[in-house]
Amino acid sequence: EVKLVESGGAVVPPGGSLRLTCAASGFTFGDYTMYWVRQVPGKGLEWVSLITSDALSSFYEDSVKGRFTISRDNNKDSLFLQMSSLRTDDTAIYFCAKDLSRAYTGYDLDYWGQGTLVTVSS
Amino acid sequence: DVQMTQSPSSLSASVGERVTITCRASQNINTRLNWYQQRPGKAPRLLIHGASTLHSGVPSRFSGRGSGTDFTLTISSLQPEDLATYYCQQTYRMPLIFGGGTKVEIK
Repeated sequence: EVKLVESGGAVVPPGGSLRLTCAASGFTFGDYTMYWVRQVPGKGLEWVSLITSDALSSFYEDSVKGRFTISRDNNKDSLFLQMSSLRTDDTAIYFCAKDLSRAYTGYDLDYWGQGTLVTVSS
Repeated sequence: DVQMTQSPSSLSASVGERVTITCRASQNINTRLNWYQQRPGKAPRLLIHGASTLHSGVPSRFSGRGSGTDFTLTISSLQPEDLATYYCQQTYRMPLIFGGGTKVEIK
């Protein structure tokens, strides 16, 4: 059974930093592109970042470029999102998700974790 | 960026009724369009990819059609468990953009 479990969400002041982790199980983690998507409670979905299976390529939504860094440890089946210079508009539930397709990036997110809440507030 | 516009933003329908949700892209995206379901308090779930391919385990009452700029998600016979918000997502190019969502309520 595919399982994605996010952790690391917290209340952090503006300008602060936070590292989110997504622990994966039930599939060959190193074969899949992985994603972070966020959602302000009660609002819509916003793609944040993706990293290819081999970690050689990563992409970011414009508002987080230069502030967020996505990474992965294929030996530990884990995905990370390092967030810095946090702003109040980064407040959201952060979901990790895996790609449907093995070994290439199809942009189809077939399994999602339950999310972790990041609150940026003084 | 490819913008995605969903309509309606919400709808209310009776059990057994046919429901159609529309998604329009700001440019031609061929069939690079997915649909997701998000039940209250839950993570999103992939329903349809490639505009019309039903994802594994998704009930056959869900179907998707369209290409180019105009797409539809249809629930042929609404069930109580279909209470959810539905999102389209373009996969044509980065950044990956989701539609604003359609909240489906049961009368």
